Amino acid sequence: DAGITQSPRYKITETGRQVTLMCHQTWSHSYMFWYRQDLGHGLRLIYYSAAADITDKGEVPDGYVVSRSKTENFPLTLESATRSQTSVYFCASSDYLPSNQPQHFGDGTRLSIL
Amino acid sequence: AQSVAQPEDQVNVAEGNPLTVKCTYSVSGNPYLFWYVQYPNRGLQFLLKYITGDNLVKGSYGFEAEFNKSQTSFHLKKPSALVSDSALYFCAVRGLLSGTYKYIFGTGTRLKVLA
Repeated sequence: DAGITQSPRYKITETGRQVTLMCHQTWSHSYMFWYRQDLGHGLRLIYYSAAADITDKGEVPDGYVVSRSKTENFPLTLESATRSQTSVYFCASSDYLPSNQPQHFGDGTRLSIL
Repeated sequence: AQSVAQPEDQVNVAEGNPLTVKCTYSVSGNPYLFWYVQYPNRGLQFLLKYITGDNLVKGSYGFEAEFNKSQTSFHLKKPSALVSDSALYFCAVRGLLSGTYKYIFGTGTRLKVLA
């Protein structure tokens, strides 16, 4: 089915460990985004990508790394997890950012860091 | 600075009554405005958008939104609320940040429709 899928849906890990969240979209959208959702903050942009091999920082990039070797995949890595990175993470895609198209969101990954 | 404000953390409304979820924005240039809805354990779903034209925009599930340029507002409305409308609602604006376009989201408003 066409869409945007995130895996895993739930993850528990310990501080200091590396963890990678996966995001896959089937629309061939140019743009992909990673957000974190925290109570009182709404959605905050971590990183985004305009195309394969093109990524840029968002509002809260510290402690995160992204890559985009293929258009359809946009993994997010926490290199050394901290408790402050406990959050719900959403991946999104859109066709062409300067246009008026809305974003399409995955169902999120709930990440708990102990 | 580009920003979106949703002044109410929660809105309670009785089923069958009209509902309004408020949003104000600050952005340079012409605003592209969006409303999204989030149900529990799900991602955000697009409801409607304003780009240009008629100030009253109609969207999914009977929702509509009114763009008011002078008040820089984009309030979400529905004439008759359903219990199933209970969810978290986000207003967003496409704005220029550091020279590139990005979507800026409000902090969300939880809508509770009471039977």
